[in-house]
Formats: sequence, structure tokens, C-alpha cells
Amino acid sequence: ETGVTQSPTHLIKTRGQQVTLRCSSQSGHNTVSWYQQALGQGPQFIFQYYREEENGRGNFPPRFSGLQFPNYSSELNVNALELDDSALYLCASSPPGSRYTEAFFGQGTRLTVV
Amino acid sequence: QQQVKQSPQSLIVQKGGISIINCAYENTAFDYFPWYQQFPGKGPALLIAIRPDVSEKKEGRFTISFNKSAKQFSLHIMDSQPGDSATYFCAAKGGNTGFQKLVFGTGTRLLVSP
Repeated sequence: ETGVTQSPTHLIKTRGQQVTLRCSSQSGHNTVSWYQQALGQGPQFIFQYYREEENGRGNFPPRFSGLQFPNYSSELNVNALELDDSALYLCASSPPGSRYTEAFFGQGTRLTVV
Repeated sequence: QQQVKQSPQSLIVQKGGISIINCAYENTAFDYFPWYQQFPGKGPALLIAIRPDVSEKKEGRFTISFNKSAKQFSLHIMDSQPGDSATYFCAAKGGNTGFQKLVFGTGTRLLVSP
């Protein structure tokens, strides 16, 4: 059983560019959530995907978008990058089941916007 | 009302001592309270979690105490070890949103001195 893997691990982009981050969920997990963790802060919920549909979103603008694929892997896309988008982006996957199932986090992608 | 407040921001404990981290919440719809441990360059990993129908849960050296009436919960790390040095996040989940969104505290950086 493999864990949650994210790619790339580090990324540097210029303000105004677009970026795509990728996440492979843990085997058997059909729910993927994305979080943004600014330096020295707790993770903030961006959105969640379940069965290829976005089924919940946090307080993030529409330039943050995502996809989930039939194999439950996921992408986070950010358009028109701003300096404040510099953060650790975390993907978490959860198995099907009750609301109390654990979310398993990947190691994150460190995005730096210059 | 979606916030989870965490204190202290940082904590230094001697090896063998007890580390105590506190969290408070406002949203009475929260019904699952996990604690996560995060090492530098890694994603958060679940340590222990509790539901509000119990007042205490213990797993090894880690104990959660939960006070439903005060809307507070805390993590106790007994016999703290240098390997416990990490950032700890409390979190909460629940409500009628229909999706599994974790609300995180701001984190506590724990340093256990040898």
C-alpha cells in the first residue's frame, strides 16, 4: 500500500504565471482534499474532490481550481499567481466510509512565487 | 465561528517532562477532534483523535482531554522525548457541510531539550 505522493516537491514561479500541482491518493481512497499552509500557520482548506466532482470549497478565489481523475489522483491549478500564493500545498486523501475517517497527508509541494 | 484557537505558540520542555497544548473552538457542530504532528519538510501525520462523547483518550504517551461544556481540548505528551520535537496542530471537523473539511489551529512548535 503506497501513501499519498505529491509532485513536484519544490517549485519556483513568477508572479502572473500558472502552476499545476499533482497528487496521487493512497490506494483505495476516493476523496482528495487540498490545503494551503503558509509559513508558520496551520493548513487552510482549499477544496475537496469526491468521485471526480468538487464537493466542498474553502475561502479561496476561483483562480484556484482542481480536477480529480477516475483513478482518484488529483491536480490543483492556480492561475495568475500572486506573491501571497507562496506556501506549502498539501494534498490529503481519505477512504470511503464515515465522516470520522482519517485524512492522510502527502509531504506537500513548496511553491515560491517571485 | 470556524476558528480553532491553539496555545501556546511555542513550548520548550525538558526530556522526561510533560508537554501540554491547548485548543478551543466555537462551532458546536464540530464532532471530531484530531491532533497532527508535523516535522519540517513533511506533511502532517495523525497522532490521536477524539469524539466529544468521551472526555479522555490515551494512546501510549499521548492523551487527549476533552471538555465539551467549555469547548476546549488539550494534548498531553507524557515523558517527552527529543524525538517529539515537532510542530503540533489541533484540528476539528464536522457540521452539516456534507464534506470532510478539517479546520486547523495555528500550531505549537515543541522543543524537547535533552
